[in-house]
Amino acid sequence: DAGVIQSPRHEVTEMGQEVTLRCKPISGHDYLFWYRQTMMRGLELLIYFNNNVPIDDSGMPEDRFSAKMPNASFSTLKIQPSEPRDSAVYFCASSGGQGAIEQFFGPGTRLTVL
Amino acid sequence: GQSLEQPSEVTAVEGAIVQINCTYQTSGFYGLSWYQQHDGGAPTFLSYNGLDGLEETGRFSSFLSRSDSYGYLLLQELQMKDSASYFCAAIQGGKLIFGQGTELSVKP
Repeated sequence: DAGVIQSPRHEVTEMGQEVTLRCKPISGHDYLFWYRQTMMRGLELLIYFNNNVPIDDSGMPEDRFSAKMPNASFSTLKIQPSEPRDSAVYFCASSGGQGAIEQFFGPGTRLTVL
Repeated sequence: GQSLEQPSEVTAVEGAIVQINCTYQTSGFYGLSWYQQHDGGAPTFLSYNGLDGLEETGRFSSFLSRSDSYGYLLLQELQMKDSASYFCAAIQGGKLIFGQGTELSVKP
């Protein structure tokens, strides 16, 4: 298996632009998690899905952030409009039947908002 | 609230043993996981404790005491490649709450 796939790996954009991050989970995994990592705030859970349904989005910072999972093999995290404080590494992770216990992380997307 | 506390950095020499402690304060606590993250890389799962006691996986062991809200990761026979950040993470409901991470530096 190729593992969790994320694209793009790096994104540089200007403040106010829309940013879309993409994730393909490991086939057969029914949990998908989006995290953000910064030096100041560490690794934070933004939202997670179970069987394509959003279960907990309490970590989504504000309305500028939205996430979708239209099918079992694809999810997006969208920021519109982007701000410099959104600069971070965004990780997608997936897991199987054990939910949060063992999660497999993708390589991350390093986002820089100028 | 919910929080996990772990030391920010630890230094040890190759071949030694190091213990990284983690104390937690979370509601609905289910278990404690440990992840390793090398610079520029993704977190990778190391170990999980759902019950009190010690779990051993090769050179790595992890321990949990629910009564003390405390756990630790033990790394034996340290190698240079073990230099990385180590995160404890509490399982709450269906999600992980991560500590701030401990940066381990292994010196020759």
